[in-house]
Amino acid sequence: NAGVMQNPRHLVRRRGQEARLRCSPMKGHSHVYWYRQLPEEGLKFMVYLQKENIIDESGMPKERFSAEFPKEGPSILRIQQVVRGDSAAYFCASSPEASRNEQFFGPGTRLTVL
Amino acid sequence: DAKTTQPPSMDCAEGRAANLPCNHSTISGNEYVYWYRQIHSQGPQYIIHGLKNNETNEMASLIITEDRKSSTLILPHATLRDTAVYYCIVREAGTYKYIFGTGTRLKVLA
Repeated sequence: NAGVMQNPRHLVRRRGQEARLRCSPMKGHSHVYWYRQLPEEGLKFMVYLQKENIIDESGMPKERFSAEFPKEGPSILRIQQVVRGDSAAYFCASSPEASRNEQFFGPGTRLTVL
Repeated sequence: DAKTTQPPSMDCAEGRAANLPCNHSTISGNEYVYWYRQIHSQGPQYIIHGLKNNETNEMASLIITEDRKSSTLILPHATLRDTAVYYCIVREAGTYKYIFGTGTRLKVLA
C-alpha cells in the first residue's frame, strides 16, 4: 500500500508564475490536509478537503491560493502569481475518516521562488 | 485559540528514556493531543495520541495530566534514530485546524 505521494518534490518558479502542487492520498483515504512549513518553523494548517468539497480553509491566504480535491485524481494546491514569501515546504496529509484519526504525511514539495 | 508550548531543544543519552513535555492549557474538553516527529525535513511521522488516559504503543508512551493542560511523551529507550523535531499538536475546537507548535529538537547522543 503506497503512502501519500506528492509531486513534484522540488519546484522552482519565478515571481509572477503559477505553482501547482499535487497530492495523491493513500489508497482508501478520502480526506486531505495541506500544510505549509517555513524554515525553522512548525507546520501551519492551510486547508482540509474531502472529495469534491472544501471543508475548512481557515488557514489559506485570502488571495492567490486555492485548493481542490476532485472526484478523480489528486488534490491540487494552486498558487497564482507567486512571490518570494511563498517559498516553503508544502506538505499534504491524508486520513481515512475525518478529524480525530491520525494523519499520514507525504514527503512534501519544496517550492523556491526566484 | 488553541496553542502548544514546548522546550526548543533537549539532549538525551542513547539507551536512556527521553521525556518531552508539552503545555496545552487551552485545549478544549473533547480534543485529543497528538504527537508527531519530523526527521530532517521529511514529512511528519505519527507517534501517538490521547484524550484523557495514558496511552502506550510500540513507539512511545503518552502521559496526560488529570487537568489535561499538559502531557509528556516518553521514548523509553532512545536511539540515535530518534533524533528529530517532536511536535505536540492539538486541534482548534470546532474546526479541523491542527495547531503545530515550534516543536522540541531532540538530539540523542551516543
